Amino acid sequence: DAKTTQPTSMDCAEGRAANLPCNHSTISGNEYVYWYRQIHSQGPQYIIHGLKNNETNEMASLIITEDRKSSTLILPHATLRDTAVYYCIAHSGNTPLVFGKGTRLSVIA
Amino acid sequence: GAVVSQHPSRVICKSGTSVKIECRSLDFQATTMFWYRQFPKKSLMLMATSNEGSKATYEQGVEKDKFLINHASLTLSTLTVTSAHPEDSSFYICSARDRLYGYTFGSGTRLTVV
Repeated sequence: DAKTTQPTSMDCAEGRAANLPCNHSTISGNEYVYWYRQIHSQGPQYIIHGLKNNETNEMASLIITEDRKSSTLILPHATLRDTAVYYCIAHSGNTPLVFGKGTRLSVIA
Repeated sequence: GAVVSQHPSRVICKSGTSVKIECRSLDFQATTMFWYRQFPKKSLMLMATSNEGSKATYEQGVEKDKFLINHASLTLSTLTVTSAHPEDSSFYICSARDRLYGYTFGSGTRLTVV
């Protein structure tokens, strides 16, 4: 899996959009970009994934640059319950996911 | 979506005893499951890949005799921490891959060895 780089931490005001960047400059053509989050003392939770096109679901939007070297996860209206560590993972195939250090997002009231 | 159930959520055991952690895929079959451990404020570290009906594949540095993995059915994998020591205290998480929903994780087991 390609290495990903994320900021260590970010703050976001409650009700505002949270934009979490991820750099994956060495991503290969068949690797998807996955986003998971981990709330304290719980297992990781799937958020969204994509290959080339931007994706949106009920939780978030994923914007992938045209060259696929970076992406941004957008939580449109952050709430206190979105406080978590967010992991961006470039991955293909059936092998296990490999987690980096992620971004610790703090949503502030 | 796919659900992975992990039990127990918390366990405290005495040094020298063994602890078994169960991971079940509730609404799908998983020929492969994955076990991770996580220390405080650190990321998840892959320990092993559990294969139904065959031996698990362990990551480098993980003692297979200490962390026994059994994957006897398509919906159940177990991790047994044998002769536990305080340094084995950690958060253990399992995962399974479903064709439709991708990778799903259990809620984790916090093991404390006293």
